[in-house]
Amino acid sequence: NAGVTQTPKFRILKIGQSMTLQCTQDMNHNYMYWYRQDPGMGLKLIYYSVGAGITDKGEVPNGYNVSRSTTEDFPLRLELAAPSQTSVYFCASTSGTRSYEQYFGPGTRLTVT
Amino acid sequence: RKEVEQDPGPFNVPEGATVAFNCTYSNSASQSFFWYRQDCRKEPKLLMSVYSSGNEDGRFTAQLNRASQYISLLIRDSKLSDSATYLCVVNGAGGYQKVTFGIGTKLQVIP
Repeated sequence: NAGVTQTPKFRILKIGQSMTLQCTQDMNHNYMYWYRQDPGMGLKLIYYSVGAGITDKGEVPNGYNVSRSTTEDFPLRLELAAPSQTSVYFCASTSGTRSYEQYFGPGTRLTVT
Repeated sequence: RKEVEQDPGPFNVPEGATVAFNCTYSNSASQSFFWYRQDCRKEPKLLMSVYSSGNEDGRFTAQLNRASQYISLLIRDSKLSDSATYLCVVNGAGGYQKVTFGIGTKLQVIP
C-alpha cells in the first residue's frame, strides 16, 4: 500500500492564482481530512469528509473548497490565492471503524507571493 | 483557554535522560487521546494511543488523567533519534470531525 499520497510536494503561486492540491489514499478509509500547519502553530482542520459525496467545514475553511467523488480521492481547491494561505498542507485519512489513527500524506509546501 | 495546550519547548536533554511532557485539554467530553511524533519537515505519525489505564511501549509511557484533564508522555533513556516534535491529539465529543492538535513540544536530545 502506498498509504496517503499528495501532489505536488512544492508549489509557488502568485496572488490571485488558483490550484488544486491532490490527495489519494489506497487504504479504503472512509474519513479524510485536510489540515494546514503554520510555523509554531498546531495543525488546523480545513475540511473533512466522512465518505464519498459528504464533506464538511473544519476550523479554517475560508478560501478553500473540497470535493469527494470517490473513496480514494479528496482534492483541495484554492481559489484566488492569498499570502495568508502560505503554509504546509497535509491530507490525512482514517478508517473510522476500529482505529482512530490518522495516516498522513507527506504534505504540500505552498508559497503565495 | 485553548482546546489543547502544550509547552512548545524546546526541551534540551542529554542522551540517557528521562523527559516528560504534559498536555492539557479543555473539553471534558473528549473521548480519545494520542501522541504523534513529527520530524522536521515531515508528516505527523502516530506514536501511541493513550488509554485510561495508561500504556507503555518500550521506553515510552503515556498516561491519562481525566479528573485533571491532562495526558502525559514519558520517555526514558532518551536517544538522539528521539529528537522530534511531539504532538498531543484529542478527539472530542463530536467524533472524528472534532480532532484537535496541540502545537507540539519540541525535544532535542543532545550527545
